[in-house]
Amino acid sequence: QSALTQPPSASGSPGQSVTISCTGTSSDVGGYNYVSWYQQHPGKAPKLMIYEVSKRPSGVPDRFSGSKSGNTASLTASGLQAEDEADYYCSSYAGSNNFVFGTGTKVTVL
Amino acid sequence: EVQLVESGGGLVQPGGSLRLSCAASGFTFSSYWMHWVCQAPGKGLVWVSRINGDGSSTGYADSVKGRFTISRDNAKNTLYLQMNSLRVEDTAVYYCAREINGGSSDWGQGTLVTVSS
Repeated sequence: QSALTQPPSASGSPGQSVTISCTGTSSDVGGYNYVSWYQQHPGKAPKLMIYEVSKRPSGVPDRFSGSKSGNTASLTASGLQAEDEADYYCSSYAGSNNFVFGTGTKVTVL
Repeated sequence: EVQLVESGGGLVQPGGSLRLSCAASGFTFSSYWMHWVCQAPGKGLVWVSRINGDGSSTGYADSVKGRFTISRDNAKNTLYLQMNSLRVEDTAVYYCAREINGGSSDWGQGTLVTVSS
């Protein structure tokens, strides 16, 4: 149950796009379409942004999108806004009733 | 409105025990898988455990297997995490979360567990 690998940081100017990768193995990200993404602001509980690789819960702006290729999933935030500055975590089902989170990425809006 | 309220955190000595509770409301509790997720101070999210709707199926992170037990009381709409043989490295905020389609759609505010002598 090793954590999924994310870049520690990412940044972009307002209106630009930023993409965060989440690399796992064929036993987690590559093996199941249960990849989700969470946004967490300081001192707050995480918020679900994407589930089942690319689906958005109601209320999440369509500026956020998810995808997967092989063992790597990605989250793209386009049209960056100041409120998008937060920590982002991916998560994947890993079989046998187990889940695993990514290492987390701090997104800075320049 | 979905609400999840954790309680039971506090200061405990290494080797001690603690039971966390998560009171759920606003949805049919027994119909959903539920999770515990923790976050050490200044660190990332770590998945801890998962339980199905009727409590018959559970999963645990390797780091807590054999020490922590997840359970639920659907009559009381409450999720539990029994934590035994606590270690300093278990110090974290513990969140409960409701799962929908493989994602945790709703989270509580968290309860802080501090393991220290």
